[in-house]
Parts: sequence; C-alpha cells; structure tokens
Amino acid sequence: KAGVTQTPRYLIKTRGQQVTLSCSPISGHRSVSWYQQTPGQGLQFLFEYFSETQRNKGNFPGRFSGRQFSNSRSEMNVSTLELGDSALYLCASSLEASGRVQYFGPGTRLTVT
Amino acid sequence: KQEVTQIPAALSVPEGENLVLNCSFTDSAIYNLQWFRQDPGKGLTSLLLIQSSQREQTSGRLNASLDKSSGRSTLYIAASQPGDSATYLCAVYSGYALNFGKGTSLLVTP
Repeated sequence: KAGVTQTPRYLIKTRGQQVTLSCSPISGHRSVSWYQQTPGQGLQFLFEYFSETQRNKGNFPGRFSGRQFSNSRSEMNVSTLELGDSALYLCASSLEASGRVQYFGPGTRLTVT
Repeated sequence: KQEVTQIPAALSVPEGENLVLNCSFTDSAIYNLQWFRQDPGKGLTSLLLIQSSQREQTSGRLNASLDKSSGRSTLYIAASQPGDSATYLCAVYSGYALNFGKGTSLLVTP
C-alpha cells in the first residue's frame, strides 16, 4: 500500500499571502490529522478530519483551517501568513476516527518571507 | 494538559555503545506511547508502539519500555551505529491526538 503523501514538499510564500497544503491518506484510512513542527514549539496538533467533518482542533488561530473530501484527501489552508507560520507541516492518517495509530507523511516545508 | 518531556535534549556517543533515551509524561491516562525517528528535514518514521496495557516492545536493536504509573518510557538502543544518528521523538496518545516531546538529538560517531 502506498503511504501518506503530501504536496507540495516545499513552499515559499510571502507574509500576508495564503497557502493550501494537500494530504492523501493511506488507502482505506478515513481520518486525517495535521501537525505543525517548529524548532521552538516542537510538534503541535492542528486538527483532525474524519468523514469530511472536523472532529478535533488544537490551539491555533482561525487563520488555520482545513477540509476533507469524500475520498478522504485533506487540505489545510493558512491565510494571512506570518513569519511564525514557517514550519514543517505533517499530515497523519489512521483507519478510524481519533485513531490511536497514526501514519505520517513526509511533510510540507513552508517558508514565509 | 498532557506534557511530554524528553531527556537528554542531545546526546553524542561513539559507535558500538548501548544507550538509553528517556521520556516522561504528566498524565498516566494514555492509550499508547510511540517512539519515532526523524531525520533532518524529513517526516516521522514510527519505531515502536506500546499499548497502555503493555510493558515493552522490541524491534531489532531497539527496546522500548513503558511504566504508565510513573509516567515514564525508555528507548534502549543496543550497539549503536552512525546510521542511528537522528532525532528521536516520544509521543503519547491520550484521546484524539498525539502529544510529542521535543525530542532527543542523537549523534553516533564512527
């Protein structure tokens, strides 16, 4: 089975712009979670989607949003980018909602200048 | 709120040494604990997953233990190799998301 894929792998944006990241889960997995990794804060949970519904959300501002499509693919959007949004964004998929075993993708490296 | 701490933050050892990485967590109500490896600029590779009812898991040269009551886990790496150089992350699953430690950066020198 193919693993979790994320596109694009690298992205450079300017402050104030918006960005959309994509995640395709492992075939058959219906839950997708997003995490942000920065040197200062480490890995932090952003949100989880299951069956096209956001089930859980971490402590991030409303500029961070996401959605999930009927094929379980998920997108994450960040509006009005700030320098502090520069990070590695990781997506993880699991079979069930709030899945206890999560499989991670390679991540998207976002740089905001 | 679950807090996960990893000690030490960095470790350098000569090739061939056995080593132990430590992870502690504040809330013992966990479903599982997972150890990951992360190479620079890359995603996470799962190494070992210990369910809350288990005490340890082994894979090759790696052994992870879990003491839920004391909120501690250790990752033991036997006969370290330069290829083991990476950041090792501990994460606990408490309900809907993984809570990660900041990681231990390991350097194994030839």
